[in-house]
Amino acid sequence: QSALTQPPSASGSPGQSVTISCTGTSSDVGGYDYVSWYQQHPGKAPKLMIYEVTKRPSGVPDRFSGSKSGNTASLTVSGLQAEDEADYYCSSYTGSNNFDVVFGGGTKLTVL
Amino acid sequence: EVQLVESGGGLVQPGRSLRLSCAASGFTFDDYAMHWVRQAPGKGLEWVSGISWNSGNTGYADSVKGRFTISRDNAKNSLYLQMNSLRAEDTALYYCAKDARYTVATIKDWGQGTLVTVSS
Repeated sequence: QSALTQPPSASGSPGQSVTISCTGTSSDVGGYDYVSWYQQHPGKAPKLMIYEVTKRPSGVPDRFSGSKSGNTASLTVSGLQAEDEADYYCSSYTGSNNFDVVFGGGTKLTVL
Repeated sequence: EVQLVESGGGLVQPGRSLRLSCAASGFTFDDYAMHWVRQAPGKGLEWVSGISWNSGNTGYADSVKGRFTISRDNAKNSLYLQMNSLRAEDTALYYCAKDARYTVATIKDWGQGTLVTVSS
């Protein structure tokens, strides 16, 4: 159950695109299409942004997209806006039960 | 509207026990798996434990296995986390969280958390 690996920080200017990576192993990210991404603003609870690698819950802007290749998943935020500045966490199913999860260490996204 | 309200946090000495509770409303509680996720001050998210809709299956992070026990009471729409042999590294904000439907290992809704501080 080692945490997934994310870069500690990422940044971009308004209107630009930024991609955040999330690297695991064949036992988690690479083994299942159950990767999720969460956005967390300071002092707030996390919010689900992407699930099953590429799907967006209702209400999440289509500026947010997800992908996966091998053991690495990615979150891309296009057309960056000031309100996108937050911490982003990936998570993956670990193969146990139907709900065991491992999170990434988190990435602080700064909008310059 | 989904509501998850945690309680039971506080200051506790190392080695002691604490029981967290989560009152759920706004959805059919026994339709969903539930989770506890924690976040140490200034740190990232850590999945702690999960439980299936009927308590038939439970899972734990290695860091808490053998010390923490998750349970639920569907009649009371409540989720619990019994925490024994607490350590300083268990200090964190503990979130109660609801699984998403029709998928796997996806957390859809979160409470606001209850703070647990383990210190002498």
